[in-house]
Amino acid sequence: KQEVTQIPAALSVPEGENLVLNCSFTDSAIYNLQWFRQDPGKGLTSLLLIQSSQREQTSGRLNASLDKSSGRSTLYIAASQPGDSATYLCAVKETSGSRLTFGEGTQLTVNP
Amino acid sequence: DTAVSQTPKYLVTQMGNDKSIKCEQNLGHDTMYWYKQDSKKFLKIMFSYNNKELIINETVPNRFSPKSPDKAHLNLHINSLELGDSAVYFCASSQPKTGVETQYFGPGTRLLVL
Repeated sequence: KQEVTQIPAALSVPEGENLVLNCSFTDSAIYNLQWFRQDPGKGLTSLLLIQSSQREQTSGRLNASLDKSSGRSTLYIAASQPGDSATYLCAVKETSGSRLTFGEGTQLTVNP
Repeated sequence: DTAVSQTPKYLVTQMGNDKSIKCEQNLGHDTMYWYKQDSKKFLKIMFSYNNKELIINETVPNRFSPKSPDKAHLNLHINSLELGDSAVYFCASSQPKTGVETQYFGPGTRLLVL
């Protein structure tokens, strides 16, 4: 059974700092991995999706990497801003059309 | 234009009541999902439908019954609501076999059972 773990559970950084969020999964046979952002009381916004054949994806100040063999992904946020404060969720899809299995999230606070 | 929409956004009801949550997607996707986010913010799959057919049914009490009248809609009916059903319920959709399969989520329905 696939399990997804995110470390750290919470992170507080000063504005401008570069930071890394970690995600690990137990079964490396995945179809894709998706990073989401959830603001308090809101839904999920998709940030980046990495296919199993890809090593990384970039969008603006965000870069997500995937090492399938070791069961790890990282989300790198450059030059963090207070507006980046949210919970970041990692989720893996095992086959086409299947569910997402989520980690418990990392709650990020960026202090001005 | 909202890609995945849910109604209602908030639902407060008494224990024992029956309620429904509706979900609609205008993305033309074949697959739709219901997830539950508990008080610890952990998201877990409940059901998945592909082209109106049930393909995932996790260990969910049979008081929960999904219904898909067409490919764009997946509704969730809950009978005899219990206190433990209080959570946020998210609908999502994706298009399988596209090589990308980004999953898009609705805004959530916050259910509080009193």
